[in-house]
Amino acid sequence: AQRVTQPEKLLSVFKGAPVELKCNYSYSGSPELFWYVQYSRQRLQLLLRHISRESIKGFTADLNKGETSFHLKKPFAQEEDSAMYYCALSGQGYGQNFVFGPGTRLSVLP
Amino acid sequence: ETGVTQTPRHLVMGMTNKKSLKCEQHLGHNAMYWYKQSAKKPLELMFVYNFKEQTENNSVPSRFSPECPNSSHLFLHLHTLQPEDSALYLCASSQDAGNTGELFFGEGSRLTVL
Repeated sequence: AQRVTQPEKLLSVFKGAPVELKCNYSYSGSPELFWYVQYSRQRLQLLLRHISRESIKGFTADLNKGETSFHLKKPFAQEEDSAMYYCALSGQGYGQNFVFGPGTRLSVLP
Repeated sequence: ETGVTQTPRHLVMGMTNKKSLKCEQHLGHNAMYWYKQSAKKPLELMFVYNFKEQTENNSVPSRFSPECPNSSHLFLHLHTLQPEDSALYLCASSQDAGNTGELFFGEGSRLTVL
C-alpha cells in the first residue's frame, strides 16, 4: 500500500536559517513524488515534483530510493515561506491516485 | 474564470438537510477528485472520476453521494450528515487519473454540520 509520512507537524526556523522538511514513503513500485504547499488563505498548489529536478522558490528535493525519502530543503528560509507543506506520492499505472502525507507547518520567524 | 472553482465557499447545514457542493474546472482535464481536509486527517481522498466514470470510492459513507455529469463538473450531494463531517471539502482535477500528473485544487467549500 502507498503511504507517506511527515514526522514533523510543526517546524519553526529563523529567517536566513536552512530548512529541511522530511518526507518518507512506502511504495512497492516506482513512485512519483511531489511537494504541495498551502499558503495562508490560498489554495493548495504544486511546489515541485521530483521528475522535474527543478528549484522552485529556492526549494529543492531529491528522491532517495534507498532511504525512501523525498526531503524538501532550502538553504536560507524567508518569512514568506511560512505555510503548510504536504508531501505526496503517486503510483504508476491506471487508477493509482495521489496519497498525501499529514503535512508540516513551517513557521519562519523574523 | 479559469482553474478550479468551488461553490459555495461556506455552508452551514443541519443533520436533516440535503445540500450539494459544486465544482467546475476550466482546464480541459478529464479527472476530478473530492478530498476532505480536517484537523484529524489533513487530506483524505474521497472519490475519483476519470472520463466521467467513478474509479475510486475510498470507503466513504453513503451520506456522501458524488455526481459527475461531464468532465468539467463534479458535485457532492450531502444528506443526513453528522457533526464530524464538518470539514473543508476540496475539489481537484488532473489531466487524467492514469497519468502521474499535477493536481489542481479549488479553494474549497467549508462545511459546518450543526
